[in-house]
Amino acid sequence: GAGVSQSPRYKVAKRGQDVALRCDPISGHVSLFWYQQALGQGPEFLTYFQNEAQLDKSGLPSDRFFAERPEGSVSTLKIQRTQQEDSAVYLCASSPRGGQGGQFFGPGTRLTVL
Amino acid sequence: GDSVTQMEGPVTLSEEAFLTINCTYTATGYPSLFWYVQYPGEGLQLLLKATKADDKGSNKGFEATYRKETTSFHLEKGSVQVSDSAVYFCALSDGSGTGRRALTFGSGTRLQVQP
Repeated sequence: GAGVSQSPRYKVAKRGQDVALRCDPISGHVSLFWYQQALGQGPEFLTYFQNEAQLDKSGLPSDRFFAERPEGSVSTLKIQRTQQEDSAVYLCASSPRGGQGGQFFGPGTRLTVL
Repeated sequence: GDSVTQMEGPVTLSEEAFLTINCTYTATGYPSLFWYVQYPGEGLQLLLKATKADDKGSNKGFEATYRKETTSFHLEKGSVQVSDSAVYFCALSDGSGTGRRALTFGSGTRLQVQP
């Protein structure tokens, strides 16, 4: 595709449910990033993949958050036992190399936990 | 750790007015600096970037100069249009040599341009 795509665009979950958010990066992009954006704030880093290797997961807020990219392309961010504080927009970004020259962002998934 | 501070919004201007959105940063080493723009209902788009001191990034009439002495990267445009209404984010990438790839963002500044 022409850009980074994410699905679903909107997700409503009841507290305690598990959710899975999908990211399709730009074809051929080596690096993939997940960010969390709370309302009225800037994105905050969650985790980074280079191909299939998860090289940095220092931003994941708890062990309820898990991300994978098994074939070095599509990535899934999973949140187990969702809490109200998990409500946010989850952004995926990709870049051709390390990402320090700029990252290309998808439209995000807005997660609302009731 | 690294941080980015932006002026609070909203910034409300009339069409053709001059725009400045202030951005200052705290970082070790030599970070690269970015401005991203988020139009309503859309994802973040890279607007411009600068990778070393005194570099000027420019795109679509917007400019920003990497000022290491004042740790600033202010965004400017000489004549704004209604279509420039959006949220603007200043960001930096790690320059300390640790290999950290994450971007650090400011909290965003909403620009509203009135006809």
